[in-house]
Amino acid sequence: DAGVIQSPRHEVTEMGQEVTLRCKPISGHNSLFWYRQTMMRGLELLIYFNNNVPIDDSGMPEDRFSAKMPNASFSTLKIQPSEPRDSAVYFCASTPWGRNYGYTFGSGTRLTVV
Amino acid sequence: TQLLEQSPQFLSIQEGENLTVYCNSSSVFSSLQWYRQEPGEGPVLLVTVVTGGEVKKLKRLTFQFGDARKDSSLHITAAQPGDTGLYLCAGASGNEKLTFGTGTRLTIIP
Repeated sequence: DAGVIQSPRHEVTEMGQEVTLRCKPISGHNSLFWYRQTMMRGLELLIYFNNNVPIDDSGMPEDRFSAKMPNASFSTLKIQPSEPRDSAVYFCASTPWGRNYGYTFGSGTRLTVV
Repeated sequence: TQLLEQSPQFLSIQEGENLTVYCNSSSVFSSLQWYRQEPGEGPVLLVTVVTGGEVKKLKRLTFQFGDARKDSSLHITAAQPGDTGLYLCAGASGNEKLTFGTGTRLTIIP
């Protein structure tokens, strides 16, 4: 299995532009998570899906952030409009259903908003 | 909000030494996991502990879950440069959502 695949690996964009981050979870994993990591705040959960349905989006910073999971093999995280404070590494992770399973993380997308 | 505090935040030691990293919370967790993250990569799962008082060993790494399931420790024996990385604990409670700790950045000096 290729693991969790995220794209792009790096994204540099100007303030105000729309940014779309993509994630392909491991086949058969029912749950998908989007995290943001910064030095100041560590790993923060933004949103998670179970069987393609958003379960908890309480970590989404504001209306500028949105996430979708149209099918079991694809999810997107969109920021519109982007701001410099959105600069961070964004991780996608997936896991089979069941709380004792660990997460498998992708390699992340490093976003820089200038 | 459940918080997981890790200590120390930074640790730099010589190759061959032993070390312990702590993960503490005021909340009870149904399970606790430890991850290691290397630069430019996502965290990688090392172990899951489920039962209060449980001890698991992974080669030179020993993980313990506190009796009350509120805290955990990671002990590394004879540290090696390959152990360098960011160590994260993560607690689960009632559902799949994990709360990650603040992290311990470990550097092993050859």
